[in-house]
Amino acid sequence: DTGVSQNPRHKITKRGQNVTFRCDPISEHNRLYWYRQTLGQGPEFLTYFQNEAQLEKSRLLSDRFSAERPKGSFSTLEIQRTEQGDSAMYLCASSLVAGGSPLHFGNGTRLTVT
Amino acid sequence: AQKVTQAQTEISVVEKEDVTLDCVYETRDTTYYLFWYKQPPSGELVFLIRRNSFDEQNEISGRYSWNFQKSTSSFNFTITASQVVDSAVYFCALTLGQDTGRRALTFGSGTRLQVQP
Repeated sequence: DTGVSQNPRHKITKRGQNVTFRCDPISEHNRLYWYRQTLGQGPEFLTYFQNEAQLEKSRLLSDRFSAERPKGSFSTLEIQRTEQGDSAMYLCASSLVAGGSPLHFGNGTRLTVT
Repeated sequence: AQKVTQAQTEISVVEKEDVTLDCVYETRDTTYYLFWYKQPPSGELVFLIRRNSFDEQNEISGRYSWNFQKSTSSFNFTITASQVVDSAVYFCALTLGQDTGRRALTFGSGTRLQVQP
């Protein structure tokens, strides 16, 4: 079990550019989640997948954000036309399907928009 | 909608002191799960414990103990004989347990614990 892996660890981009993050979940986990965490706050839910189906999206996920999990394994989160307000830590987590299964988080991707 | 409140923003203690982190939650559902996570300076959220809404037994794991009280909608976390390595941000979180409804965790805003040597 190698845990949840996220790449890159850090990303600095200029406002208006597009960025893409990748998450590789724990292999036997069917559920994959994306969260965003800003300084001094708890993680905020963005979206989650069960296998390849995106089952829920938060209101925080504006039209500039899109997430995919094409084969039910890894997932990508893309942010188009980045804004300074997008600067945050983007966390990926995975879990089993069973109700109440704990989420296992990756180390996150820290995005800085200049 | 569910909500988790951690009123203590930051706590500072001296090593070997006991410390309790408070968590109050809100949900209309009768089936739910509560969690505690630890986020050390390295940043990764580490799962500590899960409780379901039907099990109010307190739990002890080494220096850690948890007190779940449905009557007050609280799930408090106590560290006994704190150590410097306990310094981290601790998050309480809630998820629904039914087949419908949000599966994702709702987190509190966290309590930063600093243990001084």
